Amino acid sequence: GAVVSQHPSRVICKSGTSVKIECRSLDFQATTMFWYRQFPKQSLMLMATSNEGSKATYEQGVEKDKFLINHASLTLSTLTVTSAHPEDSSFYICSARVPGSSYEQYFGPGTRLTVT
Amino acid sequence: QKEVEQDPGPLSVPEGAIVSLNCTYSNSAFQYFMWYRQYSRKGPELLMYTYSSGNKEDGRFTAQVDKSSKYISLFIRDSQPSDSATYLCAMREQGAQKLVFGQGTRLTINP
Repeated sequence: GAVVSQHPSRVICKSGTSVKIECRSLDFQATTMFWYRQFPKQSLMLMATSNEGSKATYEQGVEKDKFLINHASLTLSTLTVTSAHPEDSSFYICSARVPGSSYEQYFGPGTRLTVT
Repeated sequence: QKEVEQDPGPLSVPEGAIVSLNCTYSNSAFQYFMWYRQYSRKGPELLMYTYSSGNKEDGRFTAQVDKSSKYISLFIRDSQPSDSATYLCAMREQGAQKLVFGQGTRLTINP
């Protein structure tokens, strides 16, 4: 149980375009999902907390207008990187909490974004 | 000073050795402690979860929490090449959703 998927696993886009990444909880309903960014050989940096049906809460220093998060259902959250630039190239990982159990986070497999 | 400190390694040990991974932290409000394993280019996988102080064992893995010293450990017995990965400690406060991660330790088990 507690499986989280992400799509796509890898994406290459041109500078100035937008990219959408999907995060799905496959076997449970997630009221809260989290979006992280990870640079090579570094730890996870929390970007935002996404609550179903409400606006996401962004961490300090994360541009809300650049990283659009939508959590429209209990099994789906999306992250859209708008007007992507090469410095946005990174590994993006989502996670979801399993409500009513251990309250810990289960992570998706990640999405490798490369902006050319 | 970071809230959670973890030696990034890399750590390389022979197969069968006992591995000790550690994290220290500064926030005494942390109550929940986790260890995640992350293979290259994959998402982290929850390995161990501990509440407050004490030990927890699961197969070859043992997690220890010493809140008085603000120090947590993960021990891996009879290490296998398949244990080669980055190990991340994470922790959070009571009632909080946000996890605070260590930097991660890159571990290699040599056959």
